[in-house]
Amino acid sequence: DAGVTQSPTHLIKTRGQQVTLRCSPKSGHDTVSWYQQALGQGPQFIFQYYEEEERQRGNFPDRFSGHQFPNYSSELNVNALLLGDSALYLCASYTQGAGGPKETQYFGPGTRLLVL
Amino acid sequence: SQQGEEDPQALSIQEGENATMNCSYKTSINNLQWYRQNSGRGLVHLILIRSNEREKHSGRLRVTLDTSKKSSSLLITASRAADTASYFCATVRAGGTSYGKLTFGQGTILTVHP
Repeated sequence: DAGVTQSPTHLIKTRGQQVTLRCSPKSGHDTVSWYQQALGQGPQFIFQYYEEEERQRGNFPDRFSGHQFPNYSSELNVNALLLGDSALYLCASYTQGAGGPKETQYFGPGTRLLVL
Repeated sequence: SQQGEEDPQALSIQEGENATMNCSYKTSINNLQWYRQNSGRGLVHLILIRSNEREKHSGRLRVTLDTSKKSSSLLITASRAADTASYFCATVRAGGTSYGKLTFGQGTILTVHP
């Protein structure tokens, strides 16, 4: 049973470029959340997708956008990259479908983004 | 912004000793969760405690929750070198609109010396 997977593991971009990060949730999970973790800080919630729609959003600008596909996988897109976007991007999944929500969230290994 | 604060920011102990980390938060919560992170990798879920619970155990872990003080503590007993990691508390705010959104503290860096 595969856990949450993310790709790529590392990425280097330059300011102004655009980036797409990918996440496959744990088998049986239907909800995906994205978090940004700056060095030495705790993760910060970016947004959450369920039933292919953005359900909640944290305090992040519109440069951050996402998508969820019918197979529950998700993408995080960041446009017009800034130096401050350098961080570890984490994806988490859980299920809130049939049987009711399960509270434990499972995290992927993350994608480390460096913006130069 | 972060939900709360963790104390201490860093903790250094010897193998076999107990480690206690504290977490404070600001709003009413549905539940509080503790996670471990090794060397900037993904987060591993350790334990979840609901707002109507006061104490939970899982192996060498003991978590307490005091909703009147908006605080929680994580105790790791008989620590091992492999417990060296960053530990984060995360809360899910009370109220249906915030379900599933985890708000993390700054974390405690635990170092266990062999």
